[in-house]
Amino acid sequence: IAGITQAPTSQILAAGRRMTLRCTQDMRHNAMYWYRQDLGLGLRLIHYSNTAGTTGKGEVPDGYSVSRANTDDFPLTLASAVPSQTSVYFCASSGTSGGNEQFFGPGTRLTVL
Amino acid sequence: GQNIDQPTEMTATEGAIVQINCTYQTSGFNGLFWYQQHAGEAPTFLSYNVLDGLEEKGRFSSFLSRSKGYSYLLLKELQMKDSASYLCAVMDSNYQLIWGAGTKLIIKP
Repeated sequence: IAGITQAPTSQILAAGRRMTLRCTQDMRHNAMYWYRQDLGLGLRLIHYSNTAGTTGKGEVPDGYSVSRANTDDFPLTLASAVPSQTSVYFCASSGTSGGNEQFFGPGTRLTVL
Repeated sequence: GQNIDQPTEMTATEGAIVQINCTYQTSGFNGLFWYQQHAGEAPTFLSYNVLDGLEEKGRFSSFLSRSKGYSYLLLKELQMKDSASYLCAVMDSNYQLIWGAGTKLIIKP
């Protein structure tokens, strides 16, 4: 693989179900991020990780959890999905958490019914 | 609070020039980014400004005035493929990106 990948591409989920969105990068970037993008709103940061083994909360962390066991993977888990979590989810990475550009994965379109 | 403002939509003609403005109020400033996002795709990096002035990169230029909390993205010699949303984002004092809602640019022949 080259760059950053996400899986699944899209998913329809029943409310109350647990779901993990996967994100993998092969650029050896230290920092990784999860955003959600909703119509009419800017990208909003859910959680981030500045380096393997550490994570932090972004602007809208409630209902989501993350882990960063290694450099390459940064999964996002919805413990009990609700309809308001219907969104497009983007994973991104950057060399450091400073002023470097972020590279984005192709996104996961999630619908919670 | 933190706020990034940019126009919702703009229309321009193929071959022309368009300027997309962005104003911001954030807690701290560690640079301003512009990204392009085609419909249904991921954002891709266009430019980064941390000092005042103009940064030119081919047909695209980006300007920053930190004292005014203002930036613009200038696109020259517009092509149909430039039809996309353009996202302005500011890196705040915590090195987190604060994103504007994006400007949808429509190019007409």
